[in-house]
Amino acid sequence: NAGVTQTPKFQVLKTGQSMTLQCAQDMNHEYMSWYRQDPGMGLRLIHYSVGAGITDQGEVPNGYNVSRSTTEDFPLRLLSAAPSQTSVYFCARRTSWQDTEAFFGQGTRLTVV
Amino acid sequence: KNEVEQSPQNLTAQEGEFITINCSYSVGISALHWLQQHPGGGIVSLFMLSSGKKKHGRLIATINIQEKHSSLHITASHPRDSAVYICAVRSRDSNYQLIWGAGTKLIIKP
Repeated sequence: NAGVTQTPKFQVLKTGQSMTLQCAQDMNHEYMSWYRQDPGMGLRLIHYSVGAGITDQGEVPNGYNVSRSTTEDFPLRLLSAAPSQTSVYFCARRTSWQDTEAFFGQGTRLTVV
Repeated sequence: KNEVEQSPQNLTAQEGEFITINCSYSVGISALHWLQQHPGGGIVSLFMLSSGKKKHGRLIATINIQEKHSSLHITASHPRDSAVYICAVRSRDSNYQLIWGAGTKLIIKP
């Protein structure tokens, strides 16, 4: 799992429900990020964190919240799910923000009905 | 226009063929990254390069910084190479974020 554990692997939500996608890494890496992957498009950055207590928005942050209370965990929260959030979500870690090489979790396939 | 363009979008070939996947980008970069995504969904890193050429087994990646172009080659292709191959660049212009291509879906038939 490249040192990144994502849960759940699959999830179906009803419109308006909330949920948290979990992401944990065991490499003590500073940089973690969440992406969404949609058909025919490249991965799009939702939020990222350069260390515990520090988060920032990516390209498509609307509808998502994150927090980074520890180095290990970087959960992604959907407060009120919408069908437009149907996607595959990936969490990734990098040693630091300067590094390019990223290690990805297995992904979460989310369907909002 | 996307900042990272991959071609072709889809490629089907016979086992044993030499495969080339292309990646062109329009931003200033510090590095380019090739990744592989298998049908199960997991994404793994293949190469990071900022100049020249890298080789790992049957995979070869090249980059031409002046032309803003990279290629991923697979020699003696095998059905297990079937996957989506993704190019990503580390942009100097966007706070060193990764900008992703849409991927090339490769199918190798036995």
